[in-house]
Amino acid sequence: AQSVTQPDIHITVSEGASLELRCNYSYGATPYLFWYVQSPGQGLQLLLKYFSGDTLVQGIKGFEAEFKRSQSSFNLRKPSVHWSDAAEYFCAVGAQGGSEKLVFGKGTKLTVNP
Amino acid sequence: DTAVSQTPKYLVTQMGNDKSIKCEQNLGHDTMYWYKQDSKKFLKIMFSYNNKELIINETVPNRFSPKSPDKAHLNLHINSLELGDSAVYFCASSRKNRGAEYGYTFGSGTRLTVV
Repeated sequence: AQSVTQPDIHITVSEGASLELRCNYSYGATPYLFWYVQSPGQGLQLLLKYFSGDTLVQGIKGFEAEFKRSQSSFNLRKPSVHWSDAAEYFCAVGAQGGSEKLVFGKGTKLTVNP
Repeated sequence: DTAVSQTPKYLVTQMGNDKSIKCEQNLGHDTMYWYKQDSKKFLKIMFSYNNKELIINETVPNRFSPKSPDKAHLNLHINSLELGDSAVYFCASSRKNRGAEYGYTFGSGTRLTVV
């Protein structure tokens, strides 16, 4: 079964600084990978997803993520963080041709200092 | 129009009561899901229906019973509520039973508090 680890529970950055949120997955084949964002009191919004092909994926709100098979990672990046990016970020993995469920990591809370 | 809508948004109830949460999607998706998010923000799947047929049923107490009258609706009924049921419950949908490939569209959640 697939699993996801987000090593950082909480990250604080200054507005304008760059951001990288880490995600490691465990799955025997090439997975489907996703990043979602949850603002306080809101549902989860899809930021970006990886199926196959180009390992650098562009998403909404200026986010990008890179799939590295050798490291089983799918880290989320943003070159310059805005105060409105403060939220909870979830990495998720789906199994190709397998169960339809997405398995989520435990999330990383992002705080942005002015 | 809200793509995936849940009602109610907040639900406060006493232990032992029975309650229902409703979910509707207007995206034309075939598959709907219920996820539970605990106090530590961990998301865990509970159920999944594809075109009214139950396809995922994780280890969930029998007190929880999903019902899908049609592919646009998925309701969650909870009997004999316990303190540990307090959580945020999210409904989600995906197209053609391929949520693992396309990802989900989530509702805004129902915060259930059992007192």
